Amino acid sequence: DIPMTQSPSTLSASVGDRVTITCRASQSINTWLAWFQQKPGEAPKLLIYEASNLQSGVPSRFSASGSGTEFTLTITSLQPDDFATFYCQQYYTYPFTFGPGTKVDV
Amino acid sequence: QLVESGGGLVQPGGSLTIPCAASGFKFRTSWMSWVRQAPGEGLEWVANINPDGSEKNYVDSVRGRFTISRDNAENSLFLQMNSLKAEDTAVYHCVRGGGSASVFDSWGQGTLVTVSS
Repeated sequence: DIPMTQSPSTLSASVGDRVTITCRASQSINTWLAWFQQKPGEAPKLLIYEASNLQSGVPSRFSASGSGTEFTLTITSLQPDDFATFYCQQYYTYPFTFGPGTKVDV
Repeated sequence: QLVESGGGLVQPGGSLTIPCAASGFKFRTSWMSWVRQAPGEGLEWVANINPDGSEKNYVDSVRGRFTISRDNAENSLFLQMNSLKAEDTAVYHCVRGGGSASVFDSWGQGTLVTVSS
C-alpha cells in the first residue's frame, strides 16, 4: 500500500487568502495524483488530475504541482464557495489510497 | 449521472447488494469503482471493475466478502456485500473511473449502509 499524508489537517483562512495544501506519498507515484474537494453532505468533486491538470469547469484560482512523492494544491484567492475539505489520492497502484483530508475553514 | 440506491440497516454478518444506475455517458466503455466514507471519516477506495467485467480489484479489507459486478445492457453497477461488519458502515459512492490512469471524475451522491444489531 502507499499511504498518503496531508498537511495541515485543518487550515483557518479568510476570503482572498492564498492557501497551499501539501500531500506526500510514501513512495514515488510519478504524477498519478488527483485532488478532490468535498463539502458537507455532498459527493467529492474532482479538481485536479495527473498532479497538475485542471479538470474542466474548475476555476483557474485552483492550481497544483508536484511529482514523485510531494505535491501541492494552491488556491490563489480563496472564495466563500471554497470552504471545504480537500483530499489527495494516488492512482499509481492498487489499492488506490486517499490522504486524510485538509479542512479549510474560516 | 450516477445514482445509488439500496442502502439501509443490516445486522452484523448479513448481506446487502447496492445498485448504481448510470446515465449520460458511455457506461460500457468506462472503468467503474466503489468508494466509501465512514461517518465523519475520510475516503476509502473499495473496488473497481473494467469495462467488460473481466477484471476486478478490491481493497484487502473487503476481498472475499464483497463482489463488484456490472450489467452493461442496463447501464448498472453493483456491489454485493456479504459477512458485513460494523466497520463496513459507510456511505458508498458509485464512481466513474479507477482503472489504469483513469481518475475518479464523476461521483454519485452515495447510499448509506449501516451495520448494527
